[in-house]
Parts: sequence; structure tokens; C-alpha cells
Amino acid sequence: AQSVTQLDSQVPVFEEAPVELRCNYSSSVSVYLFWYVQYPNQGLQLLLKYLSGSTLVKGINGFEAEFNKSQTSFHLRKPSVHISDTAEYFCAVSEAMDSNYQLIWGAGTKLIIKP
Amino acid sequence: EAGVVQSPRYKIIEKKQPVAFWCNPISGHNTLYWYRQNLGQGPELLIRYENEEAVDDSQLPKDRFSAERLKGVDSTLKIQPAELGDSAVYLCASAGGQGYFSGNEQFFGPGTRLTVL
Repeated sequence: AQSVTQLDSQVPVFEEAPVELRCNYSSSVSVYLFWYVQYPNQGLQLLLKYLSGSTLVKGINGFEAEFNKSQTSFHLRKPSVHISDTAEYFCAVSEAMDSNYQLIWGAGTKLIIKP
Repeated sequence: EAGVVQSPRYKIIEKKQPVAFWCNPISGHNTLYWYRQNLGQGPELLIRYENEEAVDDSQLPKDRFSAERLKGVDSTLKIQPAELGDSAVYLCASAGGQGYFSGNEQFFGPGTRLTVL
């Protein structure tokens, strides 16, 4: 069965510092990988996704993630965070052959930006 | 293009009262999802529709929860009667279709925050 692990429930970081939010998954089949962001009192918005091709994926708001098949990871990075990046970030995975787009979700990581 | 629309955004009710949430997915999306998100957790799937058919409702507490998508477009999720533990954000998402809103991606509405007193 698939599962997604986000090891850090909270990540505090100073403004303009780099950040990495970790995501590991387990699956016996090929997967698609997603990062969603949820700003306070809002729904989930897609940051980026990996379907195939280049393992380095660039998303909105300066975020990027790298798919590492051998380590079954899809860590999210940003070189310099802004106060507006304060949000909760969710990693999700779906089976590549699943036409129903079923997502398995991680528990989320709260990104806390310190001024 | 319009995104997923949900109403109401907020709802406060007393326990044992009924409540309903409405969702209008992106035009052309055949797949519709209802999720429940508790504070500090990821979304958990309640029910998934393919057009008007509920193809996965295994996580829906059927003693008090019901859902419908009669014409395969908009959908309603109902709780009757509500319990204190039902306080959460109820998210609707849709997927499928063509063009910009296509591919292996679920598009989410803003959610309905339910508080049961």
C-alpha cells in the first residue's frame, strides 16, 4: 500500500533563508508526486507536480522539488523564503496508472517564517 | 476559468442539528471528491464520484453522512445529526476534463469550515 511521510510537522526558518521540506513515500508501482500549499483559512493550491521527465520540477512562488527514485523522496525547496510563504505544505502521491487520480496525503508541514 | 466553488465558507451549528455543504466543480470535470480535514492533518477522503456514481464511499460514515451528485455536476454533502467531532474543514475537489484543468491533478475549492457547538 502507498504511504506518504512528512517527517517535520513544523519548520521554523528566518526570512530570506533557504528551506527544505521533506517528503518520503512508499509504493510498489510508479507514482506521480505533488506538493500542495494551504494558506490560513484557504483551500489547497497546487505548488508543483512530478509526472515524468526531468526529476527537478519547478513550481509557483519560486519553489522547486526533486524526485529521487532510489531514495523514494520528493523534497521541496526554496532558496529564499518570504513572510508570505507562511502556510502548511502537503505532499501527496498517486499511482501513475490510476485514472481516478486518487491521492494519498502526508500529514503536512507548517512553514513558520521568523522575521 | 472558474475554479471549484463551495458554499457556505463557514457554518456554526449546535450538535444534533443537520447541515449541508454544496460544491460546484470545474466545468467538464467528471470526478468529484469530498474530503474532511481536521486541524493539523492532511485531507481524508470521504467519497469520490465519477459523474453521478459514487465509486468510493468506503470512508463515509453512512449512519450520519450522505452525499449526492444527481446530475453528475454539482454535489451536496449532508450531516444529520451533527456531532461535536464533526468540526472540521470540508473540502471539495474535482479532476479530469480537457485543456488547462486536465491531467493528474485535483483542483480544490476553498472549503467549508464547520464548527459544531
